[in-house]
Amino acid sequence: EAGVVQSPRYKIIEKKQPVAFWCNPISGHNTLYWYLQNLGQGPELLIRYENEEAVDDSQLPKDRFSAERLKGVDSTLKIQPAELGDSAVYLCASSSGASAAYEQYFGPGTRLTVT
Amino acid sequence: GESVGLHLPTLSVQEGDNSIINCAYSNSASDYFIWYKQESGKGPQFIIDIRSNMDKRQGQRVTVLLNKTVKHLSLQIAATQPGDSAVYFCAENNAGNMLTFGGGTRLMVKP
Repeated sequence: EAGVVQSPRYKIIEKKQPVAFWCNPISGHNTLYWYLQNLGQGPELLIRYENEEAVDDSQLPKDRFSAERLKGVDSTLKIQPAELGDSAVYLCASSSGASAAYEQYFGPGTRLTVT
Repeated sequence: GESVGLHLPTLSVQEGDNSIINCAYSNSASDYFIWYKQESGKGPQFIIDIRSNMDKRQGQRVTVLLNKTVKHLSLQIAATQPGDSAVYFCAENNAGNMLTFGGGTRLMVKP
């Protein structure tokens, strides 16, 4: 079974440019998460989806970040405009249930470098 | 605010020895804890979990211990192998469906 797929794996952009990350969760997983991971730190939740509904986006900086999961399957996370401090790894995860007790399967992440 | 507290130390062990990775948490309301392993260039991978009504849980070569009195969680890896080299994170579920991750410990296994 294929795991969580993310693309691109690496992205280098100049500040003030837009960038988008794509995630395809494990088939059948209704819950999808986007995390941000800074170097040497644990992942921090940005947004959680139940099917196509964003049920927890309190940590998403809404002035520049947006996300969508239109058909309740794959998802896109966008930053516009990017800032230097956005350089990090953006992880996508999915699980088969809504509770945190359901195992979250992580993708390999997209490493973003903003110059 | 309350958080899982863990700076990023490095633990270096000899192959075949046992490893112990520690994690302190501050939220006494947390009811579920997970250990993740993250290899370079990969996302975190689930290792083992434990609920707050337990104080010990064993898996294959791994054991998680939970001490609620001092809010401490540990991961023990028996007969550590080179493939165990990675960064290990503990995470707690303290707010419904949200996991809060600690900062990670790097485990280096010397052959």
